[in-house]
Amino acid sequence: AQSVAQPEDQVNVAEGNPLTVKCTYSVSGNPYLFWYVQYPNRGLQFLLKYITGDNLVKGSYGFEAEFNKSQTSFHLKKPSALVSDSALYFCAVRGYTGRRALTFGSGTRLQVQP
Amino acid sequence: DAEITQSPRHKITETGRQVTLACHQTWNHNNMFWYRQDLGHGLRLIHYSYGVQDTNKGEVSDGYSVSRSNTEDLPLTLESAASSQTSVYFCASSGDRNYGYTFGSGTRLTVV
Repeated sequence: AQSVAQPEDQVNVAEGNPLTVKCTYSVSGNPYLFWYVQYPNRGLQFLLKYITGDNLVKGSYGFEAEFNKSQTSFHLKKPSALVSDSALYFCAVRGYTGRRALTFGSGTRLQVQP
Repeated sequence: DAEITQSPRHKITETGRQVTLACHQTWNHNNMFWYRQDLGHGLRLIHYSYGVQDTNKGEVSDGYSVSRSNTEDLPLTLESAASSQTSVYFCASSGDRNYGYTFGSGTRLTVV
């Protein structure tokens, strides 16, 4: 079975500071990894994904994530947070083989203070 | 432009009634999925389909059913709605090669 852990329910950061949202995963074989963002009363918006290749993945709105196979982690990062980044962030995983559905973490609420 | 649409956006129903939530995609994706979102649980998989006439159960399938008669649609049916099924429901689709998943805007269902 595959699983995702997002250990922090909420992350608080000041505007202009770097931010990190943590994600660790468990899956058989190699993973496909994703980050999504959800604004209030909205659907999920795709931020970035890791399929293969470079461990550092760059995505939308200045976000990036680093795939670390030995630590089974895929932390989301941004060098300088904006108030508009405040939202709910989800990490998701699926394996190269097996079920094609994504398994999601429980989500991390990012609050960026002005 | 291709899209994935869910209807209705909001629904209030009574306990015991049958309810069907619609999901329609024009991406020509083979894979379609239904999730429910609840506070503290993230998104949990209800049912999924890899193509016409194919359906599979996810982790929280009890009380739900789906059918896939064409590529575009995967309706989700609550056979006898229960208060525990009050949730926000998301439909998603994906192609077989590009590993991109597209999500609908969601249906907020309240069972009273």
